[in-house]
Amino acid sequence: GAVVSQHPSRVICKSGTSVKIECRSLDFQATTMFWYRQFPKKSLMLMATSNEGSKATYEQGVEKDKFLINHASLTLSTLTVTSAHPEDSSFYICSAPTGTSGSNEQFFGPGTRLTVL
Amino acid sequence: AQSVTQLGSHVSVSEGALVLLRCNYSSSVPPYLFWYVQYPNQGLQLLLKYTTGATLVKGINGFEAEFKKSETSFHLTKPSAHMSDAAEYFCAVSEKKTSYDKVIFGPGTSLSVIP
Repeated sequence: GAVVSQHPSRVICKSGTSVKIECRSLDFQATTMFWYRQFPKKSLMLMATSNEGSKATYEQGVEKDKFLINHASLTLSTLTVTSAHPEDSSFYICSAPTGTSGSNEQFFGPGTRLTVL
Repeated sequence: AQSVTQLGSHVSVSEGALVLLRCNYSSSVPPYLFWYVQYPNQGLQLLLKYTTGATLVKGINGFEAEFKKSETSFHLTKPSAHMSDAAEYFCAVSEKKTSYDKVIFGPGTSLSVIP
């Protein structure tokens, strides 16, 4: 199956700093990627849809100025958590649909654990 | 709007016993349905999916699920639980709009397998 990677896998930062998380599709091109946030023992909450070459589409309640998304190429989307605070600590997961077979199957990255001190 | 409910946030079964994880969905159009498994501190792995055709879908690791339109359900089953099945399971739905439609996840069910 298709492979999606994320970097870094874990990051610890100080409150007030910004953190960038990368999501890459390794063996396919992805014009669309999705960013999810997962709290401990909770489900995945869709944050935004990342669109290559255009602005991201954010879900209701997600601060676009706080969670900056850039989809600069067909294989890379980045999520930047700006001015991070402890409440931003979470598990962030990206996914990308391959768009093949009409099944809308998405492939997920391994996730990034963000801890804000 | 799409939504997914999973009855039982935690399910415990004995090793070798039947696994049944429940999922109900709501969708304004015929949905695509998925079951994903997540192991601690890892991403999600697709177990199986329903798109069209046969309503009984077989997936990896001996899991299967049946799409029942009249009940708006997509329950996940496995005849005999294995210790390695202990994980978090998520049911998910997307509408058949485009290949890039977003996927909405249920709240998840944590499966424990007792030796």
